[in-house]
Amino acid sequence: QQQVKQSPQSLIVQKGGISIINCAYENTAFDYFPWYQQFPGKGPALLIAIRPDVSEKKEGRFTISFNKSAKQFSLHIMDSQPGDSATYFCAASISLGYGKLTFGQGTILTVHP
Amino acid sequence: EPEVTQTPSHQVTQMGQEVILRCVPISNHLYFYWYRQILGQKVEFLVSFYNNEISEKSEIFDDQFSVERPDGSNFTLKIRSTKLEDSAMYFCASSSETGAETQYFGPGTRLLVL
Repeated sequence: QQQVKQSPQSLIVQKGGISIINCAYENTAFDYFPWYQQFPGKGPALLIAIRPDVSEKKEGRFTISFNKSAKQFSLHIMDSQPGDSATYFCAASISLGYGKLTFGQGTILTVHP
Repeated sequence: EPEVTQTPSHQVTQMGQEVILRCVPISNHLYFYWYRQILGQKVEFLVSFYNNEISEKSEIFDDQFSVERPDGSNFTLKIRSTKLEDSAMYFCASSSETGAETQYFGPGTRLLVL
């Protein structure tokens, strides 16, 4: 019940295309959903996050769509660039908890020029 | 911009040896975490630490693991008797508040147990 399932495992997109990564969760106590970006040899870095009181959040080319009833959320990267090539992790946590992040399995995104 | 730092960047050890991984969290942060990432797998939570005590730990964090904040700046993870399966990248993270607050991750320590 604590799992967060992420798909696809890998994604190849052409420059300028849209990258879409999906996540699903089971624990309804989760109420904070961040996406982390990780470059090789680096630690994960927060990209964008959403709380379930909104269905969408947009920051620049990055958008999170959230479907509370389906317990799913997704990351959309518009106008994907080669510099976006990285591993993306969705995660979930409980606001009133101790901050434990439960991560998805990760998606390796490759954007071809 | 403040950042979380970790030392060493790489550590190679023999099975059964003790290792200490060190982290310097962001200075005004109060909540500290260790995560690990086995090569090619997802990032897994190990432990959270606040007010000089463990607030939550995972099943992975057994008696072989311990954490300590020996002074006002360092946060350490000790593995008493390393196993082959402890080989992973270990990330330290910190946040200014608990719960749904941004956690800032360090660059990690790659631990290889032979």
